[in-house]
Amino acid sequence: NAGVTQTPKFQVLKTGQSMTLQCAQDMNHEYMSWYRQDPGMGLRLIHYSVGAGITDQGEVPNGYNVSRSTTEDFPLRLLSAAPSQTSVYFCASSLSSREGYEQYFGPGTRLTVT
Amino acid sequence: AQKITQTQPGMFVQEKEAVTLDCTYDTSDPSYGLFWYKQPSSGEMIFLIYQGSYDQQNATEGRYSLNFQKARKSANLVISASQLGDSAMYFCAMREGRDDYKLSFGAGTTVTVRA
Repeated sequence: NAGVTQTPKFQVLKTGQSMTLQCAQDMNHEYMSWYRQDPGMGLRLIHYSVGAGITDQGEVPNGYNVSRSTTEDFPLRLLSAAPSQTSVYFCASSLSSREGYEQYFGPGTRLTVT
Repeated sequence: AQKITQTQPGMFVQEKEAVTLDCTYDTSDPSYGLFWYKQPSSGEMIFLIYQGSYDQQNATEGRYSLNFQKARKSANLVISASQLGDSAMYFCAMREGRDDYKLSFGAGTTVTVRA
């Protein structure tokens, strides 16, 4: 199993550009999440999904869209990039909502918006 | 209000010694879980240990143990016999209710192990 994969690893955008961060998992996990990591702030939840066709907002959803058309894929779209979206983005998946199931994280995408 | 507080931004520990990383949490939900993750300089997030709010005993996983003090709302991570490979950032995280896929993270503690 490849686990959770993310592409690209690095990306530089200009303000106002749009792009999609890709996330895929091959573990048949129902639950997937997107986090951003900023210095001194830990990880913050952007959006999450509890299954194909079902998504919801996390703590910091503004400026981001998600969709979940398949169990495997959970892309994150930046509609109009802003310098405040410079961050490291992590996708995660987990098997179950039952307590104790760990979230498996992808390797991250480092995004810089100039 | 901050749900997870990690007050130690950075710590140094001598190889083979134990180190305790502090984590306090804030929730009114009686059902919650606490996780610790390790993030080495390479950037990936590695799951270390989990403690559920109803667990009677403190969790242990190899050299990692969780000192869970429910009344004080603290969940400190203890790393015994530190190794050079333990140098990393460590994050405490919490899920509330039954939603394991929604975690709140602390700001992290950087641990540097000295030879």
